[in-house]
Amino acid sequence: EPEVTQTPSHQVTQMGQEVILRCVPISNHLYFYWYRQILGQKVEFLVSFYNNEISEKSEIFDDQFSVERPDGSNFTLKIRSTKLEDSAMYFCASKIRGGTDTQYFGPGTRLTVL
Amino acid sequence: GENVGLHLPTLSVQEGDNSIINCAYSNSASDYFIWYKQESGKGPQFIIDIRSNMDKRQGQRVTVLLNKTVKHLSLQIAATQPGDSAVYFCAEKIITGANSKLTFGKGITLSVRP
Repeated sequence: EPEVTQTPSHQVTQMGQEVILRCVPISNHLYFYWYRQILGQKVEFLVSFYNNEISEKSEIFDDQFSVERPDGSNFTLKIRSTKLEDSAMYFCASKIRGGTDTQYFGPGTRLTVL
Repeated sequence: GENVGLHLPTLSVQEGDNSIINCAYSNSASDYFIWYKQESGKGPQFIIDIRSNMDKRQGQRVTVLLNKTVKHLSLQIAATQPGDSAVYFCAEKIITGANSKLTFGKGITLSVRP
């Protein structure tokens, strides 16, 4: 069964460093998402991406964040200058179409900022 | 793996019993609701969904009930099994318009006693 994959599974970085989290969505999906989950808290929406542009972003997704689909398979989230409070699980999700189609989530990348 | 249940309410049930997990959603304009299951160290996994023009939907061993009057959603799991132990999140969205994000609830940890 096709699935969303994410790398790395765990990323440790120093405060102020740039990190890139990588996702490979399911191959025929057209809508892509990033969510984050701080330990013990709920999953929070960051950004949605469709047709090579951001379609919606939350207040969390400030100028330090960016997303890119550099080729036909990868979908990346970049944090330019990490802060301690960026430590969280970051989930990528994708779905085929808009509307009520199911979003399929990847296993997540655990980001630890020291 | 990641333990996302540290600060979440817990429901403990005996194996074989039925489980009922409740969720209060916030946006009266939401017209699509989903239940996700999250096992330790994994991303959210789709369980069942329901549109606002329905008040009940059944799947395999699971039933979702929607009460729009009080903005309440519940997930019923029949004959709960040890493999059902996980954190359960409800999520809501508005189908139409540019808004495509899911808004997640806080989550409840289901613990199944053998």
